[in-house]
Amino acid sequence: QVQLVESGGGLVKPGGSLRLSCAASGFTFSDYYMSWIRQAPGKGLEWVSYISSSGSTIYYADSVKGRFTISRDNAKNSLYLQMNSLRAEDTAVYYCARDTVTIGYWGQGTLVTVSS
Amino acid sequence: QSALTQPASVSGSPGQSITISCTGTSSDVGSYNLVSWYQQHPGKAPKLMIYEVSKRPSGVSNRFSGSKSGNTASLTISGLQAEDEADYYCCSYAGSRGVFGGGTKLTVL
Repeated sequence: QVQLVESGGGLVKPGGSLRLSCAASGFTFSDYYMSWIRQAPGKGLEWVSYISSSGSTIYYADSVKGRFTISRDNAKNSLYLQMNSLRAEDTAVYYCARDTVTIGYWGQGTLVTVSS
Repeated sequence: QSALTQPASVSGSPGQSITISCTGTSSDVGSYNLVSWYQQHPGKAPKLMIYEVSKRPSGVSNRFSGSKSGNTASLTISGLQAEDEADYYCCSYAGSRGVFGGGTKLTVL
């Protein structure tokens, strides 16, 4: 069965960095676009970034452009999100998701807290 | 990158039907039949309930249906049940990006 398992979340100070990982299994990872979507505490869903199956097409929300970098390793069935210059407003649960608009599979989420 | 507009809350009694609207623009909902709806219970990941405006994934109850008219998409839940109480989010393709609605809290009275 399809599984998406995020890791790498935690507490970080403003201006710090964090790298999230998502281990995928149960499907042909290299066939699918992958996304990172976040949800701040008590708030709605927000698209952060997506990457095409080959990695050639990438999108970032304006709120993270220039600070976050999405990448993937199809040989390792893994998706990554490098987050730099973190701000308090980046505090959220970050979900790894298969596809972009029609998301049939989500990870359980990993919490990123940006606080001094 | 404005979010799609959803009512903050809706409510209904068991057995009733409710409809949640999702209003976008001609750049997103109005231009693409790529609208999806997600159900989210507290502390859980979202679950896909409707995709491509009106299609239901395998395993989703036929009490859930979707439609679209112009720049507004709608999710209808018929025969409300207690377990339907959750947050609901719409999502639309918007040309090289996706955009979510702000979410609607459904209360089953």
